[in-house]
Amino acid sequence: AQKITQTQPGMFVQEKEAVTLDCTYDTSDQSYGLFWYKQPSSGEMIFLIYQGSYDEQNATEGRYSLNFQKARKSANLVISASQLGDSAMYFCAMRGRNTGGFKTIFGAGTRLFVKA
Amino acid sequence: NAGVMQNPRHLVRRRGQEARLRCSPMKGHSHVYWYRQLPEEGLKFMVYLQKENIIDESGMPKERFSAEFPKEGPSILRIQQVVRGDSAAYFCASSSKLIIQGTGASLTEAFFGQGTRLTVV
Repeated sequence: AQKITQTQPGMFVQEKEAVTLDCTYDTSDQSYGLFWYKQPSSGEMIFLIYQGSYDEQNATEGRYSLNFQKARKSANLVISASQLGDSAMYFCAMRGRNTGGFKTIFGAGTRLFVKA
Repeated sequence: NAGVMQNPRHLVRRRGQEARLRCSPMKGHSHVYWYRQLPEEGLKFMVYLQKENIIDESGMPKERFSAEFPKEGPSILRIQQVVRGDSAAYFCASSSKLIIQGTGASLTEAFFGQGTRLTVV
């Protein structure tokens, strides 16, 4: 079965500091993709970063990086130099061959609060 | 280059009424996905459609819910005889094509709309 676990319901970080949001996954797929989305209070889902299971290097997109540890089945999101606008819900998600490659499985999310 | 457009953004229905949620995919996208988000939860897959075809509806409740993606026009998620438990945010996503990952290939990204917040009173 495919499963995404985010164990931190809420996180606080001081502005300008870095923060790591945890994500572990379970899958029997050999090929899969891992995604992080941001959902601000306005409600839309904003794609942040993607990591393929065969990618040897950790993905980076601006201030976002994905700490991918395949053997441990973890895909933590690191946000550097936090900004007040980073306060939002963050969802880790996965798609793989066993789900037909189209059925995205989401974690329960982590709410991030950035303090001034 | 408009993104995925959903309307309405907010919808209020009384118990027993019908709710129709619309999703216009990004230009050039022929794959549409519907997800439901209950308060304080992640998104749950409902249905995957291509033009005129339902590919996978394993996440759709068996009764009262239906979805279509006609040859012309937006995709429609229809909920008949709504109940309070249907209150949720409903998200649509679209992608250009489905790529099943082989070795090293990337899964295509699906882009989300802003969602429709359904409130049943």
